[in-house]
Amino acid sequence: GENVEQHPSTLSVQEGDSAVIKCTYSDSASNYFPWYKQELGKRPQLIIDIRSNVGEKKDQRIAVTLNKTAKHFSLHITETQPEDSAVYFCAASGAPGGGNKLTFGTGTQLKVEL
Amino acid sequence: EAGVAQSPRYKIIEKRQSVAFWCNPISGHATLYWYQQILGQGPKLLIQFQNNGVVDDSQLPKDRFSAERLKGVDSTLKIQPAKLEDSAVYLCASSLLRGSSTGSGELFFGEGSRLTVL
Repeated sequence: GENVEQHPSTLSVQEGDSAVIKCTYSDSASNYFPWYKQELGKRPQLIIDIRSNVGEKKDQRIAVTLNKTAKHFSLHITETQPEDSAVYFCAASGAPGGGNKLTFGTGTQLKVEL
Repeated sequence: EAGVAQSPRYKIIEKRQSVAFWCNPISGHATLYWYQQILGQGPKLLIQFQNNGVVDDSQLPKDRFSAERLKGVDSTLKIQPAKLEDSAVYLCASSLLRGSSTGSGELFFGEGSRLTVL
């Protein structure tokens, strides 16, 4: 089955700096890569996603890049703000017959310091 | 639009006892998922339903966990008997599309049911 690795496990940045979180996946058939943000005690919520026919996608301060050859994808947050502090999970899905079964990474605790 | 509803939000039981969690997905969402999230880890899929049929239960510990989705809407997840290592948040999620190459395929999560096994 799919295996998703995520780094780093914790990330501390100064407000206004950029943050980058990286993930690798194992199943070359995966074609959908979402990123979820989970605030303490809250539900995971989708912040951005990308499909395998696209190399990069942006939404305001958030961007995701995908390298299918290397089987890795990254989340980029620019001009970080305190409210960006949360745990971020990458995920992958799309293997034949897998439906929308998402395999999640282990999470990155992002802390944006004032 | 109402989100995914789950209950109870918190449950404390002793090992070997049983517990049941309930989930009501977003109206019209055919696919329903139960995930287990142990503290400090990412969510792990336990079972996936498409309407009232099971699509994937390969990671469900079937000797103690069971789930059903009668009538293709609400779902219950049961643990009997519970073990200490079952302490986790049980997240229910639903999605509109299954295995589609178009559309977002976004999963909408409920607030979760936090289980503590003593």
